[in-house]
This record gives sequence, C-alpha cells and structure tokens, in this order.
Amino acid sequence: AQTVTQSQPEMSVQEAETVTLSCTYDTSESDYYLFWYKQPPSRQMILVIRQEAYKQQNATENRFSVNFQKAAKSFSLKISDSQLGDAAMYFCAYRSTYNTDKLIFGTGTRLQVFP
Amino acid sequence: KAGVTQTPRYLIKTRGQQVTLSCSPISGHRSVSWYQQTPGQGLQFLFEYFSETQRNKGNFPGRFSGRQFSNSRSEMNVSTLELGDSALYLCASSLEAGPNYGYTFGSGTRLTVV
Repeated sequence: AQTVTQSQPEMSVQEAETVTLSCTYDTSESDYYLFWYKQPPSRQMILVIRQEAYKQQNATENRFSVNFQKAAKSFSLKISDSQLGDAAMYFCAYRSTYNTDKLIFGTGTRLQVFP
Repeated sequence: KAGVTQTPRYLIKTRGQQVTLSCSPISGHRSVSWYQQTPGQGLQFLFEYFSETQRNKGNFPGRFSGRQFSNSRSEMNVSTLELGDSALYLCASSLEAGPNYGYTFGSGTRLTVV
C-alpha cells in the first residue's frame, strides 16, 4: 500500500523569505500523481500544485515550486517570497493511476508566517 | 461559478443517532468523493460516486453509507453515531472520474458527537 510521510509537523518563516516543506512517499507504482494542498482556517482544501510522475520537469505555480525526486520518492514544496496569507496547514498527497481512485494524504505541516 | 457546497457547516449529534450530510458539486461535475478528517487519523477516503454509482469505498464500517442523485448531488449517512465519528467531513467534486481530473473541495461539515 502507498504511504505519504510529512516529517515536519510545524514550520515557520518570515514574510518575504523562502521555506521548504518536505514530503516522502512509498509506492511500487511507476505512474502516479503527487499534490500539495493548502488548508487555511476556512477548512477548504485548496490545490497548490500538482506533479505527474512521468514528467521529469518540476512543476511551478507562481511562488510555489516542487523538487520532485522520483528515485528518492521525495516531493518537497518550496514557497518563495512568503506572504501572511500562506499561513495554513499543507498536505502532501498521492494519487494512483492504477488502483483505487483516491487521494492518500500525509499528516500535514502547519506553516506559520511572521511579519 | 459556484464552488462545492456542503451543508450544514456544523452539526452536533448525540451518540446513537444518525446523520445525513449533503454535498452539491460544481455544476457539470459528475464525480463526488468524501473524506473524513480527524486529528488522530488524518484525512481518510470514505467513498467516491460517479453517475449515481459507488466506484470506490474506503475502509470504514457499514454504518457509513452514501448515495448520489441524478443531478450529481451527493449525501453521506452515518448511522448509530459513535464519539469517534466526530470529524470534519470533506466533499470533493471533479468533472469526471479518474486521476486525470483534479478535485475541488468544499469547506466541509464539522460533525460533533456528544
């Protein structure tokens, strides 16, 4: 079975600085999707960025980028120029292309942003 | 374009009762999935519906059930509530079933069982 691990329960960053959130996963599959979701206090899970495993190029969405290391099964999220509105829980998630069509989430990292 | 709407936002129920939660997907979306979020277990998949049929089910007891209507709206039902069912229940919709289609989540229903 696939698992997703986020080893940093909490992280903090100063406004305008850069922070990296870590995620590792375990799978025997070769094709899958990886995601980072943000959950602010409003509770809605918001998609931050998505990576398809067969694409070697790291995904980028404005200030958010990932470092996808397929062989190491690592998928970290880098937030550049951090803003107060980035403060939230961040979840890493895995989605298989073969088996049960569901998201498998990590335990989350709470990101605090200080002015 | 309206997002995924979940009602009610908050719910308090007594142990042993049953509860029904509602999810209205984004217009045109045909797939609806449900997740349970608790501090102890994190986010866990409950089930997925597509075209009124349950495609997948997570590892939850039979007290958890759901259905999808012809307009793609979905309900989930929990019977004989237990204290451990207290959680945030999140619904997500996507255009079609399958991993190629991204989810859009609602803001959830916070269920408290007392």
